[in-house]
Amino acid sequence: DGGITQSPKYLFRKEGQNVTLSCEQNLNHDAMYWYRQDPGQGLRLIYYSQIVNDFQKGDIAEGYSVSREKKESFPLTVTSAQKNPTAFYLCATLPNWGTNYGYTFGSGTRLTVV
Amino acid sequence: DQQVKQNSPSLSVQEGRISILNCDYTNSMFDYFLWYKKYPAEGPTFLISISSIKDKNEDGRFTVFLNKSAKHLSLHIVPSQPGDSAVYFCAASAESIGGTSYGKLTFGQGTILTVHP
Repeated sequence: DGGITQSPKYLFRKEGQNVTLSCEQNLNHDAMYWYRQDPGQGLRLIYYSQIVNDFQKGDIAEGYSVSREKKESFPLTVTSAQKNPTAFYLCATLPNWGTNYGYTFGSGTRLTVV
Repeated sequence: DQQVKQNSPSLSVQEGRISILNCDYTNSMFDYFLWYKKYPAEGPTFLISISSIKDKNEDGRFTVFLNKSAKHLSLHIVPSQPGDSAVYFCAASAESIGGTSYGKLTFGQGTILTVHP
């Protein structure tokens, strides 16, 4: 079955630690996206990548970093510089030449700072 | 600056009736609009979309209406079913296919729909 795997499902981070959220896809989609969801707010774009070895900042990139060394993988690192990292993180993909912008989302990672 | 707004945090509807979810936007450059459905602790799933060259798009029980002059879109679900209970997000894009920001979406805050049996 083709799909997106996000791991871990739940992650706890201590203050001052960096953590990396995994996103792997076997859909052969070119573009990958990281969004953050907070209660009562819509999804906000952190970073996105349309091709391997290239990525762009989204609306709330501060305190986050990404890499895109392989088409299948787009890991997100939440650094200690991110002041309020507790949130639900969603990874999404899209074929670069799709017709309806309908993302495929992963099941998400809930990050909690303890 | 909230460019896409869903002003109703929640909506409660009886099974079999129509559910109408509303969404307003401010950026006149938006040219593609989508609705997503989300269950708790899961990723959203794509429901239906509409291009700015249309004013209506139907897919089974789901219909999206776009009023460009009012910068308003709505999602109609008829008839509503208990399984439709979820959070619904509208989203908008200002980039055409193949553009440098292709796929970059701006989301509303979401509306929690509850369909009672």
